[in-house]
Amino acid sequence: EAQVTQNPRYLITVTGKKLTVTCSQNMNHEYMSWYRQDPGLGLRQIYYSMNVEVTDKGDVPEGYKVSRKEKRNFPLILESPSPNQTSLYFCASSTTTGTGSTDTQYFGPGTRLTVL
Amino acid sequence: AQKITQTQPGMFVQEKEAVTLDCTYDTSDPSYGLFWYKQPSSGEMIFLIYQGSYDQQNATEGRYSLNFQKARKSANLVISASQLGDSAMYFCAMREGQTGGFKTIFGAGTRLFVKA
Repeated sequence: EAQVTQNPRYLITVTGKKLTVTCSQNMNHEYMSWYRQDPGLGLRQIYYSMNVEVTDKGDVPEGYKVSRKEKRNFPLILESPSPNQTSLYFCASSTTTGTGSTDTQYFGPGTRLTVL
Repeated sequence: AQKITQTQPGMFVQEKEAVTLDCTYDTSDPSYGLFWYKQPSSGEMIFLIYQGSYDQQNATEGRYSLNFQKARKSANLVISASQLGDSAMYFCAMREGQTGGFKTIFGAGTRLFVKA
């Protein structure tokens, strides 16, 4: 079954305690993304990756890091979380880079993060 | 700068009727992709339909069609024969091509209510 998995699904942490949210896809997709969703702001792209070892900043990259050492995995790292990073986070992967004649983007189930 | 606008914060539609959700975009990149997603109250993001900028024909997926008017920069989602299960938040998104660095941006969303 085609899927994007994220772990953990829920996380409550304290300011400054490093954390990693994992993301994995089983579809051999090249394009992967992280988004955060906040009330009234829709989804905003944090980082994205076009392929292994290729990552780029989205619109809100401050305070986040990513890596793409393997095609299937794209972890999101918060080195020193702060309360303004409390949000719902989604990982997603796409069949293509998304400007061709076809594309499908699959989302993970989301990770609800609370930083106290 | 790239931009996505969804002007309808909320929409009501009678069950079994068709409904159009508006989306306009702004980009100078000749190559881009347009996406629509559904987010039910359970929170997951569900891909609905995709349109590439070079596609001449409007995309269709079952009851969903994308009314693509390139000159007007509009990509409206049409849902035919609405069902109660269509009540959800709907997001329009755009991914630019190489000129825009393959970033993805989302609109603020439209909440659709289907009445029995």
